[in-house]
Amino acid sequence: SAVISQKPSRDICQRGTSLTIQCQVDSQVTMMFWYRQQPGQSLTLIATANQGSEATYESGFVIDKFPISRPNLTFSTLTVSNLSPEDSSIYLCSAKDDSLWNSPLHFGNGTRLTVT
Amino acid sequence: DQQVKQNSPSLSVQEGRISILNCDYTNSMFDYFLWYKKYPAEGPTFLISISSIKDKNEDGRFTVFLNKSAKHLSLHIVPSQPGDSAVYFCAASDGSSNTGKLIFGQGTTLQVKP
Repeated sequence: SAVISQKPSRDICQRGTSLTIQCQVDSQVTMMFWYRQQPGQSLTLIATANQGSEATYESGFVIDKFPISRPNLTFSTLTVSNLSPEDSSIYLCSAKDDSLWNSPLHFGNGTRLTVT
Repeated sequence: DQQVKQNSPSLSVQEGRISILNCDYTNSMFDYFLWYKKYPAEGPTFLISISSIKDKNEDGRFTVFLNKSAKHLSLHIVPSQPGDSAVYFCAASDGSSNTGKLIFGQGTTLQVKP
């Protein structure tokens, strides 16, 4: 299964600033996915990061707030812009094995963001 | 609108006994279900899955049961071990199952006591 490395593992940021999270997969994957877990909540898909095209955002998430880059088949970044305390969450990168239909998503260890 | 629900926030069982974690869903279009385990400061780890064409899938100590008519699935862990103590998430996807969009439940914290 894919091994996913994510950094930073945690950060404390001031409101109004931005945080960029990096995600590296140890194999080439077509799609990478960014999830958010707000405190006490379940995981929610933010967007799908497609290599060679713009990311696809879920309802409630917009590119201006969550710009995503996908420069190649093993790497993606998520930026959380213009931070507010409501953005304090765990952000998780994930990917799945392209070669297997219905292969499960595998996750990185997440980035715990605290906005002060 | 919570499409996947885990109504028990926590569960405590004795080592060696059976742990049963439950999950209900509302969307009849869901055709693929997964369970993930999450330790603190780590990402969710895939545990076991089941397709809607089956009603049971087993992998070692872990068995998932699916009752489509009741829109209910459960994860059985037998025997439970202290290392199983973690948060367990149920997740589901619809007919576009080769995407990465999973709908997650809120999680159940399992504590296995030695």
